Amino acid sequence: KAGVTQTPRYLIKTRGQQVTLSCSPISGHRSVSWYQQTPGQGLQFLFEYFSETQRNKGNFPGRFSGRQFSNSRSEMNVSTLELGDSALYLCASRSGTSSYEQYFGPGTRLTVT
Amino acid sequence: AQSVTQLDSHVSVSEGTPVLLRCNYSSSYSPSLFWYVQHPNKGLQLLLKYTSAATLVKGINGFEAEFKKSETSFHLTKPSAHMSDAAEYFCVVSDPASGTYKYIFGTGTRLKVLA
Repeated sequence: KAGVTQTPRYLIKTRGQQVTLSCSPISGHRSVSWYQQTPGQGLQFLFEYFSETQRNKGNFPGRFSGRQFSNSRSEMNVSTLELGDSALYLCASRSGTSSYEQYFGPGTRLTVT
Repeated sequence: AQSVTQLDSHVSVSEGTPVLLRCNYSSSYSPSLFWYVQHPNKGLQLLLKYTSAATLVKGINGFEAEFKKSETSFHLTKPSAHMSDAAEYFCVVSDPASGTYKYIFGTGTRLKVLA
């Protein structure tokens, strides 16, 4: 099975712009979660989607949003980018049944200048 | 509330010697615990998981971990380090019984393997 894929892998944006990141989960997986990784804050949970519904949301401002499509692919959007949004954004998929483990993609490296 | 503490931010070992990466957790429910490895500029790879079955868990690449409820610990070990083990390791707790599958990550331990 193909793993979790994320596009693009690298992105450079200017402060104030918005960005959309994409994630395709492992085939058959219905849950997608997003995490932000920074040197200062480490890995932090953003949100989880399951069958197109947001199940959980972390402590991030409303500028961070996401959605999931009927094919389980997910997108994350960040509006009005700030310098502090520079990070590695990781997507993880889970089968959504009784398994708890998540499988991560390679991440999207976002740099805000 | 859940939390994870990785007791060492950096660990150095010589190739061929044992590895011990320490992790303590706090959880209100029956936790699921995981260890992940992250190589430079890569995503996270699952090493092993504990989900209330056997307390000694074997993972990939010769790693194993023991769940000790009385000590609230889930330390990662490997009998003999290899150069390719040099990476950052994350201990993770999740409490599905609390209604969420979200991961709470430790701050990571960077493992250095000396030739």
